[in-house]
Amino acid sequence: EAQVTQNPRYLITVTGKKLTVTCSQNMNHEYMSWYRQDPGLGLRQIYYSMNVEVTDKGDVPEGYKVSRKEKRNFPLILESPSPNQTSLYFCASSFGLSPGELFFGEGSRLTVL
Amino acid sequence: KQEVTQIPAALSVPEGENLVLNCSFTDSAIYNLQWFRQDPGKGLTSLLLIQSSQREQTSGRLNASLDKSSGRSTLYIAASQPGDSATYLCAVLMDSNYQLIWGAGTKLIIKP
Repeated sequence: EAQVTQNPRYLITVTGKKLTVTCSQNMNHEYMSWYRQDPGLGLRQIYYSMNVEVTDKGDVPEGYKVSRKEKRNFPLILESPSPNQTSLYFCASSFGLSPGELFFGEGSRLTVL
Repeated sequence: KQEVTQIPAALSVPEGENLVLNCSFTDSAIYNLQWFRQDPGKGLTSLLLIQSSQREQTSGRLNASLDKSSGRSTLYIAASQPGDSATYLCAVLMDSNYQLIWGAGTKLIIKP
């Protein structure tokens, strides 16, 4: 089954404790991206990648890192999480170097205390 | 800076009605525009994608139009059903840097 898989789906952590949210797609998509969704602010793009070893900042990249060492994986790294990074995070992928139809993971709800 | 606006923020209609959701954007230099639906606690599902050179796309009871010059897109839902209840979001992909900019969504409730 074609899918985008995010882990963990739910996480409660404390300020400063490094964490990684994994994202994996099995559709051989070139384009992958991360978003956060906050009440009243909607969805905002954090980072995106058009291919292996190519990543670019979105609207709100501060406090996040990403890597794209393999085509299928695009992990989101919070080196030192802070409470303002409490949010619902989505990973998405699309065929081609520029996004067409986007396929989303089910989301990762992160709480930073 | 691109801004994407969706009006109305919420809409409640009786089952069976045809309805239109609106999406407007301030910068016409877009690569494509995409409509999504989001169900509570779930991820987003792509409904329709319109390339900048296209005027409309159709899928079943859904029809999306794009007027790039005026910065507007509409999503038309025919013969609405309770299962159509969800939040509908539009997003534009910028031509210059492939950033995706989102509207805040329209929360749609279809009453049986």
